[in-house]
Amino acid sequence: AQRVTQPEKLLSVFKGAPVELKCNYSYSGSPELFWYVQYSRQRLQLLLRHISRESIKGFTADLNKGETSFHLKKPFAQEEDSAMYYCALSGPSNDYKLSFGAGTTVTVRA
Amino acid sequence: DVKVTQSSRYLVKRTGEKVFLECVQDMDHENMFWYRQDPGLGLRLIYFSYDVKMKEKGDIPEGYSVSREKKERFSLILESASTNQTSMYLCASSLETGDYGYTFGSGTRLTVV
Repeated sequence: AQRVTQPEKLLSVFKGAPVELKCNYSYSGSPELFWYVQYSRQRLQLLLRHISRESIKGFTADLNKGETSFHLKKPFAQEEDSAMYYCALSGPSNDYKLSFGAGTTVTVRA
Repeated sequence: DVKVTQSSRYLVKRTGEKVFLECVQDMDHENMFWYRQDPGLGLRLIYFSYDVKMKEKGDIPEGYSVSREKKERFSLILESASTNQTSMYLCASSLETGDYGYTFGSGTRLTVV
């Protein structure tokens, strides 16, 4: 069965400091991994996906198949990065659904 | 922009009531999903639908059912509400198979008393 683990429920960093949100997964095939974000009073939205290999709002995430990880990183956190972040995993190509982790709440302090 | 609209932002229902949560999307998306969002548990999939009148169980379907009579509307039904179904319910849609860029609704906070 596929599973996504986000070991940190809460993460607090100072503005300008690096931030890293951990995500580990268990899946026997070739997964697709995603990060979703929910800002205060806003809808959950896609932040980035590993296949696009892009940087969004300064965030990057690298899929490490050896360590089955997909950690989200930003070198210099900003106050507007304060949000709930979810790591998500897709299943087989004929599967329609995403499995989400428990989420990490990030607070960036001034 | 695709919009996913959930009919109620807040609902309070009594134990044993039958509860309907409605979700409508306006961009002809094939797939629709119902998740519940609980602190410390993240998002858990209740049911999803990949076509009109088609439905599939997610990870926690017990106590719930769904209906998709029209492509744009996906309803979640709590047959007999219980206090452990107090939660935030999120509806989402995606264009087609393999599209994991879900569009989420703003959620319905359901309290069962």
